[in-house]
Amino acid sequence: KQEVTQIPAALSVPEGENLVLNCSFTDSAIYNLQWFRQDPGKGLTSLLLIQSSQREQTSGRLNASLDKSSGRSTLYIAASQPGDSATYLCAVKETSGSRLTFGEGTQLTVNP
Amino acid sequence: GAVVSQHPSRVICKSGTSVKIECRSLDFQATTMFWYRQFPKQSLMLMATSNEGSKATYEQGVEKDKFLINHASLTLSTLTVTSAHPEDSSFYICSASGAGVNQPQHFGDGTRLSIL
Repeated sequence: KQEVTQIPAALSVPEGENLVLNCSFTDSAIYNLQWFRQDPGKGLTSLLLIQSSQREQTSGRLNASLDKSSGRSTLYIAASQPGDSATYLCAVKETSGSRLTFGEGTQLTVNP
Repeated sequence: GAVVSQHPSRVICKSGTSVKIECRSLDFQATTMFWYRQFPKQSLMLMATSNEGSKATYEQGVEKDKFLINHASLTLSTLTVTSAHPEDSSFYICSASGAGVNQPQHFGDGTRLSIL
């Protein structure tokens, strides 16, 4: 059974700092990995999707990497802003079906 | 980008009431829709997967007679919580994806269900 773990569970940083969120998964047989953002009481906003054949994806200040063989992904946020405060979730899509398995998220607070 | 609309955003009702939640894909055909449940400070737990025109596939431990799912068209799926009780109070989120195994899931804004 696929298990997804995110470290740290919570992170508080001053504005402007670069930061890294970590995600690990136990079964490397995945189609893709996705990073989401969730604001309190809201649904999920997709940030980046990395296919299993890719090593990284970039969007603005966000960069996500994928090392499928070691079961790891990182989300790098450059020059963090208070508006980046949210919970960040990673999820993997397995090759055996269409379901996503989510990690428990990292709650990020960027202080002005 | 693809938009998924979920209604209502919040429901407060008495124990024993049945509650219907709608999930619509506004600008794409949703071949597959997913229903998740999220408890406070926890991640999303998949409840069921539905393909248009087919019966939903429920995850282990999810009562299909309690959580009725209908996916009658390529743009609409509904989740009905039947005879809801306080323990059913939670945040319910739907997502939808188009055809193809590498299509991303697009999420609705969720429904906060509170059973008194």
